[in-house]
Amino acid sequence: KAGVTQTPRYLIKTRGQQVTLSCSPISGHRSVSWYQQTPGQGLQFLFEYFSETQRNKGNFPGRFSGRQFSNSRSEMNVSTLELGDSALYLCASSFGGAMEQYFGPGTRLTVT
Amino acid sequence: AQTVTQSQPEMSVQEAETVTLSCTYDTSESDYYLFWYKQPPSRQMILVIRQEAYKQQNATENRFSVNFQKAAKSFSLKISDSQLGDAAMYFCAYRGLNTGNQFYFGTGTSLTVIP
Repeated sequence: KAGVTQTPRYLIKTRGQQVTLSCSPISGHRSVSWYQQTPGQGLQFLFEYFSETQRNKGNFPGRFSGRQFSNSRSEMNVSTLELGDSALYLCASSFGGAMEQYFGPGTRLTVT
Repeated sequence: AQTVTQSQPEMSVQEAETVTLSCTYDTSESDYYLFWYKQPPSRQMILVIRQEAYKQQNATENRFSVNFQKAAKSFSLKISDSQLGDAAMYFCAYRGLNTGNQFYFGTGTSLTVIP
């Protein structure tokens, strides 16, 4: 099976812009989670989608949003980018329940 | 909310030696899963090992094994015969069956392997 894929891999944006990141889970996986990883804050949970519904949400401002499509692919959107949004954004998929997550390679977002 | 604590930000080990990474967690649930993930420098996060809370037997995957102490809420990872390729950031993670299945991650332990 193909692994979790994320596009784009690298992105440079200017403060105030918005960005959309994409994640394609492993075939058959219905749960997709998003994380923000920074050197100072570690791995921070953004949200999880399961069967097109947001099941869990982390403690991030409303500028961060996401959605999941019927084929389980997920997108994450960040509006009005701030310098502090520069991070590695990881997507992870799982079959469901309490099964392990499989991570994608991440999207490296730099906000200038 | 559940919390996962990794008290060792950095660890080092000589090649071929054994090292143990610590992890503790806080939960009121009885049914949950615990995981160790490895993230090599500039590379993808991968699953190292998984432990189901209802299993008393400690999980083992080749050179990787865990010491799961449910009562103490402790879940340490032992790496035997350390290799240069084991150098990475290691994350401990918890996933409950009754908390919306959200994953909770520790802050990570950076492991250096000394040749």
